[in-house]
Amino acid sequence: AQKVTQAQTEISVVEKEDVTLDCVYETRDTTYYLFWYKQPPSGELVFLIRRNSFDEQNEISGRYSWNFQKSTSSFNFTITASQVVDSAVYFCALSEAGNGNEKLTFGTGTRLTIIP
Amino acid sequence: DAGITQSPRHKVTETGTPVTLRCHQTENHRYMYWYRQDPGHGLRLIHYSYGVKDTDKGEVSDGYSVSRSKTEDFLLTLESATSSQTSVYFCAISELAGGPGDTQYFGPGTRLTVL
Repeated sequence: AQKVTQAQTEISVVEKEDVTLDCVYETRDTTYYLFWYKQPPSGELVFLIRRNSFDEQNEISGRYSWNFQKSTSSFNFTITASQVVDSAVYFCALSEAGNGNEKLTFGTGTRLTIIP
Repeated sequence: DAGITQSPRHKVTETGTPVTLRCHQTENHRYMYWYRQDPGHGLRLIHYSYGVKDTDKGEVSDGYSVSRSKTEDFLLTLESATSSQTSVYFCAISELAGGPGDTQYFGPGTRLTVL
């Protein structure tokens, strides 16, 4: 069965500090997909990134970067030079190609607070 | 932004009453999903649909039913609401033709309180 663990329940950092959110996943499939979503205080869920299991290249988008390591089953998310607008709950999610029921399995989320 | 709306956005109801939540999309996407979000659980899939009149159960489907009579609408019904169904409900659609690799885009959510 697929599982996603976000061990960090809450993180607080001072503005402009870098912060890394951890995501560890479990799957038996060789083909799978990983996602990150952001949920700001307003409550909507915003898609950030999708990564398939065959693409281990790290990705950078502005202040955001993602480190995918199959060897440790991790897909960590780093925010560089954090800003108050980054305060949100962040969810990591996993989808297996062989699952057949189109299911996204979410972690329990990490609440990030950026202190001005 | 994906064209997804949910109604109502907030609802308070009493135990034992039926409740229907509506999800409407303007993207003509095939796949639609209902999730619930609870503290300590993240989001969990309730039901999903892969086409008109084609639905299947998710992880936490007990006490819920769904219907999809049109591509654009996906209804979630609580036949007899219980306090354990107090939650925030999110509808999602997936791009392209649907499938495990597709990105899911979420509606704004419905906050349901069952007293």
